[in-house]
Amino acid sequence: SQQGEEDPQALSIQEGENATMNCSYKTSINNLQWYRQNSGRGLVHLILIRSNEREKHSGRLRVTLDTSKKSSSLLITASRAADTASYFCATGFSGSARQLTFGSGTQLTVLP
Amino acid sequence: DAGVTQSPTHLIKTRGQQVTLRCSPKSGHDTVSWYQQALGQGPQFIFQYYEEEERQRGNFPDRFSGHQFPNYSSELNVNALLLGDSALYLCASSFSSTYEQYFGPGTRLTVT
Repeated sequence: SQQGEEDPQALSIQEGENATMNCSYKTSINNLQWYRQNSGRGLVHLILIRSNEREKHSGRLRVTLDTSKKSSSLLITASRAADTASYFCATGFSGSARQLTFGSGTQLTVLP
Repeated sequence: DAGVTQSPTHLIKTRGQQVTLRCSPKSGHDTVSWYQQALGQGPQFIFQYYEEEERQRGNFPDRFSGHQFPNYSSELNVNALLLGDSALYLCASSFSSTYEQYFGPGTRLTVT
C-alpha cells in the first residue's frame, strides 16, 4: 500500500503560473524526497528535505515540511510546458531511511 | 558519465515463466534498489542490495529474488509469473551513505 498520498491527483495550469502539490504521510520519517516522472519513464530526483528541516529551495522549486502535520508541499514557480509530468513524494522512514515509500503521484499539465 | 542503465527495455512473457531483469548502477554507486510500478501508481519497493547482500525487502513474495555482483550491477528475478506482475520495473542506484536515488529508464514487463 502507498504510504504517502499526493493531492491533487491531477492539476492543470497555464504556463507562467505557480503549481503547488501536497503530500501527506502516516509515520515518522527520516527524509522526504520529491521525484518527477515523464510518460512512464524513469524517475528524476528533484529535492530532498530532512525531518529536521522546514523548507528547502532549488531553482524554481520550493519544498516545505511540517512533521507535526505529517505533510509536505512542492511549489513550482513560473511553470513551463516542460514541467508537464507526474510528481511523486517519497518518504524514508526512521529506521529504514533508504527504503523509499512513494505516493500515487500528482499529474501536472502545464498548458502553453 | 553513464547513468543507471537497465535491460531489456521491454519484455513479454507467459504466465508461469521466469524472467531476469538487469541493472547497471550509476558510476560510483554501490547500492541498488528495485521497484515495481503498476500503471497509474507510484513505485513500490521490492528490495535493496548492498555489498552483494539483500539489505532491505518490501512486501513482495519469495518469487521475487535478486542478486548483486562485485561490480555493483544487479539482477531481479521473478519466478512463476502472474498476470499481476505486469508492470514497469525500475532500478535505482545510490551511495550507501546518502538517501537520494537515481533511477534507470525501467523495463516494461507484460505477462500474457
